[in-house]
Amino acid sequence: KQEVTQIPAALSVPEGENLVLNCSFTDSAIYNLQWFRQDPGKGLTSLLLIQSSQREQTSGRLNASLDKSSGRSTLYIAASQPGDSATYLCAVRASGGSNYKLTFGKGTLLTVNP
Amino acid sequence: NAGVMQNPRHLVRRRGQEARLRCSPMKGHSHVYWYRQLPEEGLKFMVYLQKENIIDESGMPKERFSAEFPKEGPSILRIQQVVRGDSAAYFCASSPQQAEGYTFGSGTRLTVV
Repeated sequence: KQEVTQIPAALSVPEGENLVLNCSFTDSAIYNLQWFRQDPGKGLTSLLLIQSSQREQTSGRLNASLDKSSGRSTLYIAASQPGDSATYLCAVRASGGSNYKLTFGKGTLLTVNP
Repeated sequence: NAGVMQNPRHLVRRRGQEARLRCSPMKGHSHVYWYRQLPEEGLKFMVYLQKENIIDESGMPKERFSAEFPKEGPSILRIQQVVRGDSAAYFCASSPQQAEGYTFGSGTRLTVV
């Protein structure tokens, strides 16, 4: 059974700092891995999707890496801003017949202080 | 092109009542997925539906919960005789093909009092 763990559970940083969020998963047989952002009381916004054959994806100040063999992904946020404050969720999609299911971690609550 | 629409955004029910959560997928999307987020927990898969068919309901509690996606109209997640433990955020997602292009709605927050 796939399990996804995110560390740390919460992180508070001053504005402008570069930071790394970690995600680990127990079963390396994944189809892809996706990072989402969740704002309080809101839905999920997809940030980056990495296919199992890829090593990293970049979008603006965000960079996500994937090491499938070790079951790890990191989300790097450069020059953090107060508007980045949100919960960041990591989710993996299994390969094979159940590839419609996402398994989520519990998230990292990020606070960027002005 | 509207996104995935869920309503109501907030729903309060007394114990023992029924809760009906609605999800209208994006235009052109025929695959719908429901997830539940309990307090302090990650999102958990509940059910996957295509038009008029339940493909996988392995994440649904065996009793009181049901889901449908009729030929016409939104997908409905129905919870009968709600209990306090059903209080959670329920998210719906849709995609044009299985496992591709997931888009999430804003969720329905159910509170059972």
